[in-house]
Amino acid sequence: GAGVSQSPSNKVTEKGKDVELRCDPISGHTALYWYRQSLGQGLEFLIYFQGNSAPDKSGLPSDRFSAERTGGSVSTLTIQRTQQEDSAVYLCASSSSSGSYEQFFGPGTRLTVL
Amino acid sequence: TQLLEQSPQFLSIQEGENLTVYCNSSSVFSSLQWYRQEPGEGPVLLVTVVTGGEVKKLKRLTFQFGDARKDSSLHITAAQPGDTGLYLCAGVAGRRALTFGSGTRLQVQP
Repeated sequence: GAGVSQSPSNKVTEKGKDVELRCDPISGHTALYWYRQSLGQGLEFLIYFQGNSAPDKSGLPSDRFSAERTGGSVSTLTIQRTQQEDSAVYLCASSSSSGSYEQFFGPGTRLTVL
Repeated sequence: TQLLEQSPQFLSIQEGENLTVYCNSSSVFSSLQWYRQEPGEGPVLLVTVVTGGEVKKLKRLTFQFGDARKDSSLHITAAQPGDTGLYLCAGVAGRRALTFGSGTRLQVQP
């Protein structure tokens, strides 16, 4: 079956513009996660959705970052008024549940803010 | 804040050598996962260790979870160029998102 897909694969934007990143999780997975990875480093947790529960937004670095998950499936991460320090690879993952269940990752969106 | 520190950050070895990667924390985790990531792709799960002191083997890879469930190690025997990649440990605490380590970039020269 299809894995986690993300679009676009690459996004170049100018400082101050808004961007939207999309994630299509594996069908039936109730948990969805967004992470940020800077140049070959570890992953920084951003936000986590689990079923119909309120999302865990504790990792969002500022109020310029927001995310939504419509219909328990597709998720969109929005970054408003982008800054150069937002440049990174944004990874989405889904799992059949939360906790120690395996997370399946998409290929990521590489965001470059000029 | 739960932090996971990995060492070394970078390792370049020759094919056939053995190596160990360490993942340490001051926090206790209910389980710990190891992922491997190749350029341009997302991380892929290698193993989950759950019980303190647990040892799991995956072909030439041996994973160990510390007795106190605060640390873990990954040992690779007779490394091959195909083992090249970024190795990430990730701690699981309840139903929260994973806490990832900073990663160990392994390069195996043929």
